[in-house]
Amino acid sequence: GQNIDQPTEMTATEGAIVQINCTYQTSGFNGLFWYQQHAGEAPTFLSYNVLDGLEEKGRFSSFLSRSKGYSYLLLKELQMKDSASYLCAVRDQGSGNTGKLIFGQGTTLQVKP
Amino acid sequence: GAVVSQHPSWVICKSGTSVKIECRSLDFQATTMFWYRQFPKQSLMLMATSNEGSKATYEQGVEKDKFLINHASLTLSTLTVTSAHPEDSSFYICSATRGRGLSTDTQYFGPGTRLTVL
Repeated sequence: GQNIDQPTEMTATEGAIVQINCTYQTSGFNGLFWYQQHAGEAPTFLSYNVLDGLEEKGRFSSFLSRSKGYSYLLLKELQMKDSASYLCAVRDQGSGNTGKLIFGQGTTLQVKP
Repeated sequence: GAVVSQHPSWVICKSGTSVKIECRSLDFQATTMFWYRQFPKQSLMLMATSNEGSKATYEQGVEKDKFLINHASLTLSTLTVTSAHPEDSSFYICSATRGRGLSTDTQYFGPGTRLTVL
């Protein structure tokens, strides 16, 4: 089966660092994505990992361990505008290699002053 | 950039009517488009994968006769919700990739269409 787990909610303070974890069990794996989604809007792409290790992009970093089926998104120097849902998605190789994304339920992050 | 638009951004309709939602790739040719549905406080659920010029591939549990998908050109895919009912009220989001949805392709999301069925 396909299963992607993330915490439902997290709270952090402006200026702090927060780590959002994601564990996955999928029939195939061809990359892991993190998206940010503000309420009522479509997801926007944050990061992509296909090999083990850390990918850094400004205030955001994403880590992947394929052997552990684990990823995290690290947000540094939190700003109020970072309050949003963060979606972990695995690209399932599956049949036909259609590149389908399987999304976790999302983590709602609230940044407080 | 890679811009995907959707029209309309929101729609309210009466139960039993049909609603068409358009998804366009504005600055690239999208061989593959995906249609998702998102209920409040839930994540995105893939409904179907649409390749230009061929029939859409629907996910398990999605009725293909109710959710009609047409991908007639490289820049346009449409989703028609036929005989809509209140339980179809949701946020519908499309995404597009340049290639055939293979491993190197990033999905670019449209802004979404909020459908409310009365």
